[in-house]
Amino acid sequence: AQTVTQSQPEMSVQEAETVTLSCTYDTSENNYYLFWYKQPPSRQMILVIRQEAYKQQNATENRFSVNFQKAAKSFSLKISDSQLGDTAMYFCAFIQGAQKLVFGQGTRLTINP
Amino acid sequence: DTGVSQDPRHKITKRGQNVTFRCDPISEHNRLYWYRQTLGQGPEFLTYFQNEAQLEKSRLLSDRFSAERPKGSFSTLEIQRTEQGDSAMYLCASSLLQNEQFFGPGTRLTVL
Repeated sequence: AQTVTQSQPEMSVQEAETVTLSCTYDTSENNYYLFWYKQPPSRQMILVIRQEAYKQQNATENRFSVNFQKAAKSFSLKISDSQLGDTAMYFCAFIQGAQKLVFGQGTRLTINP
Repeated sequence: DTGVSQDPRHKITKRGQNVTFRCDPISEHNRLYWYRQTLGQGPEFLTYFQNEAQLEKSRLLSDRFSAERPKGSFSTLEIQRTEQGDSAMYLCASSLLQNEQFFGPGTRLTVL
C-alpha cells in the first residue's frame, strides 16, 4: 500500500525565515508524482509544487523548492523568505497513474510577524 | 471564475436524513474526484470518474454513499441515512492532465 507520512504536526517560524517541511512516502512503483498542497484557513486547497519521480532535478517555484531523495523516499518542501500569507496547512501527496491522490496527515505552518 | 465549484458550502442535517452535494468541475476536465477530509487530517479518496464512468470506489464509500456524473459534466454525491460519523468536509477535484488535480472549496457537512 502507498502511504505518505508527515512527521511534523505543527511548525512556527518568524516572517522572512526559511522553513523546511518533511515528508516520506512508501511505494514499490518506479514512476509516480509527488505534490505539496497548501490549504489556508477556511480556504480551498491549492497546488504549491509538483515533482515527477523520473526527474532528478528538484522542482522550484519562486520561493518554494523541494529536496527529492528517491532512494530514501523523501520529499521535503523548503519555503524561503517566508511571508504571513504562507500560514496554512501543508499536505504532501503522492499519485501513481491517473488515480487517487494519497495525502499525508499535514503540517500546520504558522508564520509569525 | 472558471475553477471547481461546489454546492452547498455548508450543510447541517439531522441524523438519518439524506443529503446531496454537487460539484462542477473545470469545464474541459474529463476526470473528477471526491475526497473526504476530517478535522486535522489529510483528505481521503472516495471515488473518481473519467467522463461519466465511475472507475474506482474506496472502501470508505459504504452502500449509503452514491456518486454520479451524468453526461460527464457535473457530479453529485449523495449520502443516505446520515450518521454523525459522516460529519466532514467533502472535497471535489478535477483534472485534465494525468496527474494535476484542482480542488473546489468543499462542502462542510455537520450531522447532528
